[in-house]
Amino acid sequence: GAVVSQHPSRVICKSGTSVKIECRSLDFQATTMFWYRQFPKQSLMLMATSNEGSKATYEQGVEKDKFLINHASLTLSTLTVTSAHPEDSSFYICSARDMREGPYIQYFGAGTRLSVL
Amino acid sequence: KQEVTQIPAALSVPEGENLVLNCSFTDSAIYNLQWFRQDPGKGLTSLLLIQSSQREQTSGRLNASLDKSSGRSTLYIAASQPGDSATYLCAVQMDSSYKLIFGSGTRLLVRP
Repeated sequence: GAVVSQHPSRVICKSGTSVKIECRSLDFQATTMFWYRQFPKQSLMLMATSNEGSKATYEQGVEKDKFLINHASLTLSTLTVTSAHPEDSSFYICSARDMREGPYIQYFGAGTRLSVL
Repeated sequence: KQEVTQIPAALSVPEGENLVLNCSFTDSAIYNLQWFRQDPGKGLTSLLLIQSSQREQTSGRLNASLDKSSGRSTLYIAASQPGDSATYLCAVQMDSSYKLIFGSGTRLLVRP
């Protein structure tokens, strides 16, 4: 199956700093990527849908100015957590849709664990 | 608003046992339902996808069923192995936007 690479796998930062997380589709092009966050022992919650070449679509309650998403190419989407605070500590996972396959197939990255001190 | 619930939240079984994980959803107008596996601190691996018109899907020791009218799906794991230990998530897709709505998962431990 297709591979989605997410980097970094873990990041620790000080409160007030910004953190960028990358999501790359390694062997396919992805016009659509998704960003999720997961709190301990809870489910994945969709944050935003990232579309190549256009603005991301954010879910209700997600601050678009805090979670900046850029999908500048067909293989890369980035999520930047701006002015991070301890409550932003979470597990962030991206997924990408392989256009070559059926419309319902998404491939997930391995996730990024963000810890804000 | 669609809500997806998984029961039980955690399950511990001895190796070799057959087991069933449950998933229920409140809105039956789904496109499809998927079962995923998540290992600790890792991403998700898709196990089975059932289209709304299908009743079940099988892959190896895994069998997933879907009863859309009652809002239920089950994941059956035969002859469980310690390597099956993980969190199992079900997710429904409501429309062509490809957005997935996840349940909170069942943490499975298969004891040797």
